[in-house]
Amino acid sequence: DAGVIQSPRHEVTEMGQEVTLRCKPISGHDYLFWYRQTMMRGLELLIYFNNNVPIDDSGMPEDRFSAKMPNASFSTLKIQPSEPRDSAVYFCASRRVAGGGTDTQYFGPGTRLTVL
Amino acid sequence: RKEVEQDPGPFNVPEGATVAFNCTYSNSASQSFFWYRQDCRKEPKLLMSVYSSGNEDGRFTAQLNRASQYISLLIRDSKLSDSATYLCVVSSLSGTYKYIFGTGTRLKVLA
Repeated sequence: DAGVIQSPRHEVTEMGQEVTLRCKPISGHDYLFWYRQTMMRGLELLIYFNNNVPIDDSGMPEDRFSAKMPNASFSTLKIQPSEPRDSAVYFCASRRVAGGGTDTQYFGPGTRLTVL
Repeated sequence: RKEVEQDPGPFNVPEGATVAFNCTYSNSASQSFFWYRQDCRKEPKLLMSVYSSGNEDGRFTAQLNRASQYISLLIRDSKLSDSATYLCVVSSLSGTYKYIFGTGTRLKVLA
C-alpha cells in the first residue's frame, strides 16, 4: 500500500495568497483527519471526515480555513488568505473503523508551509 | 490546563539505560490511549497502544493508571535508534474518533 499521500511536501508563499494542501488517504479507510503541528502548540486536530462527510471542524482556527472531501480518495485543506502565523507542518491522517478496523491512524509525510 | 500534558524534555540518556516518560490527561472519560513516535521532520507513527492491564512490546512497556489519570512508557536497554519524540495520545469521548496529542517528550540516546 502506498500509504497516505500529501502534496506539496513544501510550500512557500506570501501573505495574502491562497494555499491548497492535498491529501490522498489509504484506500478503504473511512476516516480522514487534518492536523497542524507547531513547536508551540504541538499537534492539533483541525477537522475530520467520516465517509467524506465533515464530522467535527471545531479545531479549524478561523474562517480563512476550509476543507473538503469530494470523494473517498481525495481531500483538500485551503487557507485563504494565508498569514505568517499559519506557518506550520500540516498532516493528513486516515484510519479504517468500519468492518473491524484498528485504532491506528496512519499519517502522511506532511506539508511544510511557510508564509512570508 | 491542557487535556494531555507531557514533560517536553529533552531526556539525554546513555545507550543501555532505562528511561521512563509520564503523561497526564484531564478527561476522566477518555477511552483509548496510545504512544506515538515521531522522528525529526517525519510524521508520527504508532508505537503501541496502552491497555488497562499494562502491556509490553519488546523493550517497551506501557502502563495506564485510570485513578490518577496518567500513562507511562518505559524503555529498557535504550538504543541510539530510540532517539525521537514520544507523543502521548488520548482519545476523547466514546463514539468519536478524536485523538488528543500531547506536545511530546524528546529523547536523545547518547553513545
